[in-house]
Amino acid sequence: SQQGEEDPQALSIQEGENATMNCSYKTSINNLQWYRQNSGRGLVHLILIRSNEREKHSGRLRVTLDTSKKSSSLLITASRAADTASYFCAASFGANSKLTFGKGITLSVRP
Amino acid sequence: DVKVTQSSRYLVKRTGEKVFLECVQDMDHENMFWYRQDPGLGLRLIYFSYDVKMKEKGDIPEGYSVSREKKERFSLILESASTNQTSMYLCASSFPAGEGEQYFGPGTRLTVT
Repeated sequence: SQQGEEDPQALSIQEGENATMNCSYKTSINNLQWYRQNSGRGLVHLILIRSNEREKHSGRLRVTLDTSKKSSSLLITASRAADTASYFCAASFGANSKLTFGKGITLSVRP
Repeated sequence: DVKVTQSSRYLVKRTGEKVFLECVQDMDHENMFWYRQDPGLGLRLIYFSYDVKMKEKGDIPEGYSVSREKKERFSLILESASTNQTSMYLCASSFPAGEGEQYFGPGTRLTVT
């Protein structure tokens, strides 16, 4: 399977702390994307990192990509209770626009 | 903003019924996708479409079919609903010239009894 695998499966932190989520994949990618899903809702695209990039920032989000280890990390700094959600990594392979999603990480931020 | 809408947020159907799930996007995207999401299994691709009247099977197409008669609309059809098709169904669209970012609808939670 080419499916991404996130780690940990669940994460609980205090408001103000940083949250780090990891994703691994199995084959070469075009890019790696992170999505967020609030309970019972659709997914929202957060950030994309290309295969030739190593780090990218967007607001409180920082994503890294290590193609030699086939892994990516998403860091959310200064977390807020509103960051409580499920987070998915998704890998883009090949010439089409298909994505392969991981199983998701449940993040709980305690006020 | 891209808007992807799905015809129902919640749906309850009986075993054996034919079920239609509709998805509409307003950004003129060529690509559209149907996923199902189950606890512990993540998102799994059922079918996708790159253009009108074009469809390709995803990872779990059995028991499903799709229709794309217009660019903005992509329908998922459960020919004869079964209890193991109880799930959250998510539709998404993307622009092929982009880098594959997908825009999702709110989801339809289908229960088959």
